[in-house]
Amino acid sequence: EAGVVQSPRYKIIEKKQPVAFWCNPISGHNTLYWYRQNLGQGPELLIRYENEEAVDDSQLPKDRFSAERLKGVDSTLKIQPAELGDSAVYLCASSFRGKDRNTIYFGEGSWLTVV
Amino acid sequence: GQSLEQPSEVTAVEGAIVQINCTYQTSGFYGLSWYQQHDGGAPTFLSYNALDGLEETGRFSSFLSRSDSYGYLLLQELQMKDSASYFCAVGVLTGRRALTFGSGTRLQVQP
Repeated sequence: EAGVVQSPRYKIIEKKQPVAFWCNPISGHNTLYWYRQNLGQGPELLIRYENEEAVDDSQLPKDRFSAERLKGVDSTLKIQPAELGDSAVYLCASSFRGKDRNTIYFGEGSWLTVV
Repeated sequence: GQSLEQPSEVTAVEGAIVQINCTYQTSGFYGLSWYQQHDGGAPTFLSYNALDGLEETGRFSSFLSRSDSYGYLLLQELQMKDSASYFCAVGVLTGRRALTFGSGTRLQVQP
């Protein structure tokens, strides 16, 4: 079974430019997360979806970040405009609201460098 | 909100046993998880404790004391491939129902 797939794997952009990250969760997983991880730190939640509904976006900087999960499957995270401080790894994860609900499966992340 | 504390770095030798501690402060706690992350890789699930006591999975064990808001990950028979960062994470029943991660413990296994 395929894991969580993210693209692009690496992205270098100039500040003030837009960037978008795409995520395909594990098939059948109805919960999708976007986390941000800075170097030497743990992942920090940006947004959580239950199916297509964003149920927790309290930590998403809404002035420049947006996310969507159309049809409750794939998701896109966008930053516009990017700032130097946005350089980080953006991790997508998914989980299933069933017996295995306490396990989150992460993708390998999209590494963003803003110059 | 939630807060977690774990040591930033631990060094051990191959074949040894190492314990990584985690203390947490949160309301609505329902469980403590542990994740492993190799450099450049994805965090991967290791173990989960909802109840007090020890959970064993091969060379790895995890312990939880809810009354002490404390848990640990025990790694036995250390191998070089165990060099990685280890994160504890708490799950809560109310409000944000997603895992909150600690800052991680970087484990260096030496020959």
